Amino acid sequence: DQQVKQNSPSLSVQEGRISILNCDYTNSMFDYFLWYKKYPAEGPTFLISISSIKDKNEDGRFTVFLNKSAKHLSLHIVPSQPGDSAVYFCAASEETSGSRLTFGEGTQLTVNP
Amino acid sequence: GAGVSQSPSNKVTEKGKDVELRCDPISGHTALYWYRQSLGQGLEFLIYFQGNSAPDKSGLPSDRFSAERTGGSVSTLTIQRTQQEDSAVYLCASSKDSYNEQFFGPGTRLTVL
Repeated sequence: DQQVKQNSPSLSVQEGRISILNCDYTNSMFDYFLWYKKYPAEGPTFLISISSIKDKNEDGRFTVFLNKSAKHLSLHIVPSQPGDSAVYFCAASEETSGSRLTFGEGTQLTVNP
Repeated sequence: GAGVSQSPSNKVTEKGKDVELRCDPISGHTALYWYRQSLGQGLEFLIYFQGNSAPDKSGLPSDRFSAERTGGSVSTLTIQRTQQEDSAVYLCASSKDSYNEQFFGPGTRLTVL
């Protein structure tokens, strides 16, 4: 039972354009959502998060949008840079389980110069 | 300061052998997590330690898997009688407490022949 799904295994965009990565979840108990970025042979690094009481959180070039009614969140990167090329994981947690994270399968983003 | 470290970085073993994977969390972090990432999959939660509380073992896939955390710091994940399906990257993460950002180590790539 995959509670967090990233349906696009890969995404390719041109440098300077917007990258939009999508994530869907099924567990209505999730109340905190995160995006992690992973380079090869390294552990994931935290990028940005959003609480279920908000619908948008912005940090520099990165913005996360949450649509609770649709159980959908997205990460926007504007403008995209070649250094953004990595695997992006969406993750979610329930307050009752501490911050044990449930991850999606990841999306490989490639930003072409 | 030093991040989360894991050893070994790579481990190749034969089916049926036992393996031990080590995690050194960031100093002062009370929460420690183990996840694994199988090929083409997202990260899968295994076990979670928080301070002196009983660990949350609900993600361990079988009784061949066990983990301990000595002195509230270093953790060891042990897999007994390894099987080929245990092949994965095993990732450790730590955080200040249960409700803060998790910092991941680089992982141990386990290959069971």
